[in-house]
Amino acid sequence: GAVVSQHPSRVICKSGTSVKIECRSLDFQATTMFWYRQFPKQSLMLMATSNEGSKATYEQGVEKDKFLINHASLTLSTLTVTSAHPEDSSFYICSARDRPRDIQYFGAGTRLSVL
Amino acid sequence: DQQVKQNSPSLSVQEGRISILNCDYTNSMFDYFLWYKKYPAEGPTFLISISSIKDKNEDGRFTVFLNKSAKHLSLHIVPSQPGDSAVYFCAASSGAGSYQLTFGKGTKLSVIP
Repeated sequence: GAVVSQHPSRVICKSGTSVKIECRSLDFQATTMFWYRQFPKQSLMLMATSNEGSKATYEQGVEKDKFLINHASLTLSTLTVTSAHPEDSSFYICSARDRPRDIQYFGAGTRLSVL
Repeated sequence: DQQVKQNSPSLSVQEGRISILNCDYTNSMFDYFLWYKKYPAEGPTFLISISSIKDKNEDGRFTVFLNKSAKHLSLHIVPSQPGDSAVYFCAASSGAGSYQLTFGKGTKLSVIP
C-alpha cells in the first residue's frame, strides 16, 4: 500500500509552547490530507480536511486558530498545535487520499504529551 | 449521533477459526466502506474496501460483505491468525468525490493461539 510518513512519532512539550507535526505522502501526490485525533479507547475523530493550496476545512468544535494547518505542496501537510495545554495531549493521526483508488492511507500517528 | 456503529467492543477467536466483525450504519448516503486495522500507538492500516454497487469483496483471507437493505457490513477473516490481533475500524464515506471518512469505535480482536 501507499506510504504516509508522519513526524514526530512522539513529542513532550511544556504548556504554552507550540508543536508542529508533519505528514508526507511518500509515493503519491495527495491534494487532500486529513487530520484526526484519537482519545483513549475511542474512535478517530476528524479534525480538519487539508486541501493543497487552499485553506483547511475544520470540523465543528475544532478551533482553527489553535490547530493551524498548512498544505503547501502535494506531498506535505503540517499541523501546528499552538499554545498547547495539557488537554491537548492526545494521539494525532494524519491521512492522505490516494485519489485514483479513493483510499485514505494513514501515518503512524504522533503522541503529544503536554506537561 | 453515531452514524457508524461497531457494537462489539471486543471479540476473541481461536486461531484457525473464522473471525466475523460487524458494522452497522445509519446514513443511507454512505456508498463506500473501508476496514482498517490498528495496533496501539500506530496509525490505521488499510485492509479492504467495498463500494455500494457490490455486496462482496475478497482479498486473501479477508472478505467484506455488504447488505445495503440492512445497512450492515461485516469483515470475515479466515483462517484467523495470532497476528490478526488488533483493533479493527469500520469506516464509511458518501457521495461521488466526497472523501471524508466516518469511523466506528472499533472492535478489538484477540486471536488465541
